[in-house]
Amino acid sequence: DQQVKQNSPSLSVQEGRISILNCDYTNSMFDYFLWYKKYPAEGPTFLISISSIKDKNEDGRFTVFLNKSAKHLSLHIVPSQPGDSAVYFCAASGKTGANNLFFGTGTRLTVIP
Amino acid sequence: DTGVSQDPRHKITKRGQNVTFRCDPISEHNRLYWYRQTLGQGPEFLTYFQNEAQLEKSRLLSDRFSAERPKGSFSTLEIQRTEQGDSAMYLCASSGDGRYNEQFFGPGTRLTVL
Repeated sequence: DQQVKQNSPSLSVQEGRISILNCDYTNSMFDYFLWYKKYPAEGPTFLISISSIKDKNEDGRFTVFLNKSAKHLSLHIVPSQPGDSAVYFCAASGKTGANNLFFGTGTRLTVIP
Repeated sequence: DTGVSQDPRHKITKRGQNVTFRCDPISEHNRLYWYRQTLGQGPEFLTYFQNEAQLEKSRLLSDRFSAERPKGSFSTLEIQRTEQGDSAMYLCASSGDGRYNEQFFGPGTRLTVL
């Protein structure tokens, strides 16, 4: 049972425009959310995170928005650059135990020069 | 800062053989995780260590899998009597203590079982 879902397997965006990647979750016990970027043959690289006490977190070109009532989060990248082309994974963890991450299936972002 | 390292990066083995992977976490991190990723999926949690104690195991971790973290430093993941379904990328991650600490991943070990 997929508790974290990324319904768009791929996204193409022109260089300089905004990229918006979406993620939905089902478990109301999740309270920490992260985005990772992954290149082929490498492990996921941490990008940005947000805890459930916030609804927005910014870091340079990356902003994550959290809508707890809708159980939805999104990652905005602006402006998009060709080097952003990668697979992006959304992940979430709960309040207790191992704090292990539950991942979505990923969205492949292609930024077209 | 050397990050999380994993060895080997690739392993090809025949069905029925045993394999062992190693993970060296970021040195000051007490928490260590193993995940498995198959094609088209996100990483799935296998097991978790707090220092040397293995505190949680996923039901994905069958009896053929065993993990250790002696002395709370590096960790090993062993798969006995490998099956073709074990073919996957095995990822190790580490994090500091505390509730909101991101996990940093190693490059992974790609296992192919023939």
